[in-house]
Amino acid sequence: DAGVIQSPRHEVTEMGQEVTLRCKPISGHNSLFWYRQTMMRGLELLIYFNNNVPIDDSGMPEDRFSAKMPNASFSTLKIQPSEPRDSAVYFCASNLNTGELFFGEGSRLTVL
Amino acid sequence: EDQVTQSPEALRLQEGESSSLNCSYTVSGLRGLFWYRQDPGKGPEFLFTLYSAGEEKEKERLKATLTKKESFLHITAPKPEDSATYLCAVQATGNTPLVFGKGTRLSVIA
Repeated sequence: DAGVIQSPRHEVTEMGQEVTLRCKPISGHNSLFWYRQTMMRGLELLIYFNNNVPIDDSGMPEDRFSAKMPNASFSTLKIQPSEPRDSAVYFCASNLNTGELFFGEGSRLTVL
Repeated sequence: EDQVTQSPEALRLQEGESSSLNCSYTVSGLRGLFWYRQDPGKGPEFLFTLYSAGEEKEKERLKATLTKKESFLHITAPKPEDSATYLCAVQATGNTPLVFGKGTRLSVIA
């Protein structure tokens, strides 16, 4: 299996621009998670889906953040408008009703 | 609220110098405690799951142990390739998401 695939790996954008991060989970996994990692706060859960349905989005910092999972093989995390404090590494992870998470390589976002 | 605290934040060892990393946790009801390894520019990679106090798991030079309040990751005779950030996470009962600590950055010098 190819593992969890994220794109883009790196994104540099200017404040106010829209950013879309993409994730393809491992085939057969039914849960998908979006985490954000910074030096100050470590790995924080933003939102997770089970069977394509958002279960808990309480970690989404503001209304500027939104996430969708239109089908079992694709999810997006959108930030509109972006701000410099959104700069971080965003990870997507998936699993099959177990604790063990399989992570992608991450998308490093820099907002100038 | 479930919480995970890891110490030390950073650890520098000479090759062959054994040591331990600590993970203290508070959780409403523990379903599992997880250890991950993260290399620079990569996503976390799963190492171990521990489910109950007294349980131990080993993989090469690493051994993880669990008590009711903390977990230790023991590193025996480390090598430079063991240099990485080690993350601890807990999962409460029910299929709830993992809550991660901030990690320990380990550097092993030849």
